[in-house]
Amino acid sequence: EADIYQTPRYLVIGTGKKITLECSQTMGHDKMYWYQQDPGMELHLIHYSYGVNSTEKGDLSSESTVSRIRTEHFPLTLESARPSHTSQYLCASSEGGESTEAFFGQGTRLTVV
Amino acid sequence: GQNIDQPTEMTATEGAIVQINCTYQTSGFNGLFWYQQHAGEAPTFLSYNVLDGLEEKGRFSSFLSRSKGYSYLLLKELQMKDSASYLCAVLDSNYQLIWGAGTKLIIKP
Repeated sequence: EADIYQTPRYLVIGTGKKITLECSQTMGHDKMYWYQQDPGMELHLIHYSYGVNSTEKGDLSSESTVSRIRTEHFPLTLESARPSHTSQYLCASSEGGESTEAFFGQGTRLTVV
Repeated sequence: GQNIDQPTEMTATEGAIVQINCTYQTSGFNGLFWYQQHAGEAPTFLSYNVLDGLEEKGRFSSFLSRSKGYSYLLLKELQMKDSASYLCAVLDSNYQLIWGAGTKLIIKP
């Protein structure tokens, strides 16, 4: 059973607001990831981390930031939300070996109005 | 560029067998994953292939041919609960997962 949690599950906010999406895992995994997924589309990597104080940008990182101060916590921040940010955001973690599977959180469905 | 192709949608009958194909062109290859994703939910791991051949796990099997850049997921004895999207993902030379758009599988009674 995977133990990776995202909050909130659903969020509706106004344009221009700053928001932080939370992700925590209790498995002690070194690698953590943030993905964005629109309905029926592929997952796009936003940011990833290989451990504490390690963060890297993915394909869609330009409008968001992450931090990894603790192994279990990997929050994603949008400084100024726009309607184009409306999407599902999925957090995932893995042990770090090449063949290890990624475990996903339940996702945050964000709507920016 | 890196590319993963899967059919957008497939339909099959309960109790039957279905094969979902995935072709890939990536910078390097360190393994291929299949995930299942029910509507509105997170993806869950199904299988991992890094060597050529067939891996069987209950009703689900996954095949890989590295020389052809090709994999398939075979689902037997289909059940209604198998209705979901099936995502193919390749681990590239940088150990980054490259995701396909997924195949939506519709099971009819």
